[in-house]
Amino acid sequence: GQNIDQPTEMTATEGAIVQINCTYQTSGFNGLFWYQQHAGEAPTFLSYNVLDGLEEKGRFSSFLSRSKGYSYLLLKELQMKDSASYLCAVRGNAGNNRKLIWGLGTSLAVNP
Amino acid sequence: DAGITQSPRYKITETGRQVTLMCHQTWSHSYMFWYRQDLGHGLRLIYYSAAADITDKGEVPDGYVVSRSKTENFPLTLESATRSQTSVYFCASSESSGANVLTFGAGSRLTVL
Repeated sequence: GQNIDQPTEMTATEGAIVQINCTYQTSGFNGLFWYQQHAGEAPTFLSYNVLDGLEEKGRFSSFLSRSKGYSYLLLKELQMKDSASYLCAVRGNAGNNRKLIWGLGTSLAVNP
Repeated sequence: DAGITQSPRYKITETGRQVTLMCHQTWSHSYMFWYRQDLGHGLRLIYYSAAADITDKGEVPDGYVVSRSKTENFPLTLESATRSQTSVYFCASSESSGANVLTFGAGSRLTVL
């Protein structure tokens, strides 16, 4: 079957670095997404990886290894506002009309 | 205002009643989606649409009906609401090219008593 695994909860300290892992098993691969969702709000797009390697965008970076079915989201210089749920999502086969397979999300708590 | 808007934001209804959640986007995105989000299940796709008059089922379509007569609107109807349909519903849209990043509406919190 198709599955995405990510840790349920993580805690970190303000100013630190945290890495949120995501492993996936899907029928085909056409891109991996990370979204941020604050409590009571809608998910918002953070990053997209379709080729192996690291994509950096300010304090946030995302890494992909297609051969290992693995990605991580790296958050640097953590701020209190980074406390949120981080959702990993994978687009499988090219013919699946843009449907995504979603992980359950990692709830990150940033402590002072 | 530009963007994707959902209405109502909050709705309380009773079992058996019909409810329609509205979704409107101003980008002329081809694709539109309806998700529900529940604790322990994450985001689950209910229905999606690739263009006006083209809709298809997602993972959990039972009990829901959609239509898309205009590109910008994608209403979701619960024909006879059940308690199990108590959830937060998100509408999203995406372009038909590139990374197809989803942009979500603010959500509609529905409670079925």
